[in-house]
Amino acid sequence: QSVLTQPPSASGTPGQRVTISCSGSTSNIGSNAVNWYQQLPGTAPKLLIYTNNQRPSGVPDRFSGSKSGTSASLAISGLQSEDEADYYCAAWDDSLNDHWVFGGGTKLTVL
Amino acid sequence: QLQLVQSGAEVKKPGSSVKVSCKASGGTFSTYTITWVRQAPGQGLEWMGRIIAILGIANHAQKFQGRVTFTADKSTSTAYMELSGLRSEDTAVYYCAKFDNSGFYIDYWGQGTLVTVSS
Repeated sequence: QSVLTQPPSASGTPGQRVTISCSGSTSNIGSNAVNWYQQLPGTAPKLLIYTNNQRPSGVPDRFSGSKSGTSASLAISGLQSEDEADYYCAAWDDSLNDHWVFGGGTKLTVL
Repeated sequence: QLQLVQSGAEVKKPGSSVKVSCKASGGTFSTYTITWVRQAPGQGLEWMGRIIAILGIANHAQKFQGRVTFTADKSTSTAYMELSGLRSEDTAVYYCAKFDNSGFYIDYWGQGTLVTVSS
């Protein structure tokens, strides 16, 4: 099982707002920034949110991230059909000689 | 535009080794920290480790202790991941990626290389 915990699935209808949670511990989210990746079917992951709440250029402002304590969230507002994808949170973990950890991923379905 | 281009798909026998390459273009390879992530069919992302190209220093996830080797050839801007003692559970898409200059997040990904382990 993954070090960071995400719900396996989420869903919403077009135009809705959905949130995806990511729960960790003091050694990862509690002491390091959280990043989010979007993986469309059959493609490589793409950086969606970095350093908790920053969007790379080209990512719509419908996507936002937040962090509190040992948990983080990704919010998608104005849901669109092209948002249907897998979403992963990730962070450095200070235990075990510094390694990078991913959440198990959340499959977002747009109904 | 920075690109990471990986080698093609491989089919390997159990017990053998595979070496995947990742050629960088459009940036300064020697400043990169290249990381490797794999994804088994229908599964999530799994971090394997990283190499700091300018120093040639690498570390890996404990799970791959003794089986994985990361190298970086600055003369060709190419990183390599070699995994030995292959078993069926190693069947996956292997991605190379790079950390941003701060080292805090992965910003660019390769297209992935499918490695199939089958007798």
